[in-house]
Amino acid sequence: GNSVTQMEGPVTLSEEAFLTINCTYTATGYPSLFWYVQYPGEGLQLLLKATKADDKGSNKGFEATYRKETTSFHLEKGSVQVSDSAVYFCALSGINAGGTSYGKLTFGQGTILTVHP
Amino acid sequence: EAGVAQSPRYKIIEKRQSVAFWCNPISGHATLYWYQQILGQGPKLLIQFQNNGVVDDSQLPKDRFSAERLKGVDSTLKIQPAKLEDSAVYLCASSSIGTGQALDFGNTIYFGEGSWLTVV
Repeated sequence: GNSVTQMEGPVTLSEEAFLTINCTYTATGYPSLFWYVQYPGEGLQLLLKATKADDKGSNKGFEATYRKETTSFHLEKGSVQVSDSAVYFCALSGINAGGTSYGKLTFGQGTILTVHP
Repeated sequence: EAGVAQSPRYKIIEKRQSVAFWCNPISGHATLYWYQQILGQGPKLLIQFQNNGVVDDSQLPKDRFSAERLKGVDSTLKIQPAKLEDSAVYLCASSSIGTGQALDFGNTIYFGEGSWLTVV
């Protein structure tokens, strides 16, 4: 079945440091890949997505590239801010045997990011 | 645009009691999901509705969990009787995706803030 594995956290960085959160996946076919973010006390929000191999999703300074050869979708940001402190979830939308989307998400376990001033 | 509404936000119950959570999706969204998020884990899909029909309930513990979406709009998730391991955040989400469509064509899934359940 489909699965997503994220690097174990928590991750603690100083402001303006470089961020990488690793994500690898297992899926049949060609899933779409997503990063969701959960700020303290808020619901899950879509951060970025990529729908095919070599696509790069980007938003708010965050980037992730869909790497089919390594089945990875690592999240990166060049200079983090205190306001980026949150839990980050990697997720995929799988494709069924008929080639259509299940229309649902399979999530990784989440990575807690804390950024200090 | 109003988001996905959930209530109650917080609930504490004793084991073997029952609890119900309510969700109102974004207007016009045909697909509604209930996810369970246990502390330290990613959300896990419990049930997916397309209008008022069930698309996927393979991970719903049917001996104690039930969900309905009678008029194809709002939905209720019930747990009876509750166990200690049911302590989690219950997330409702909705999407405009139709049957067979891909999540990649702009049909983003939107999540509510969640209902936090503690079973003691």
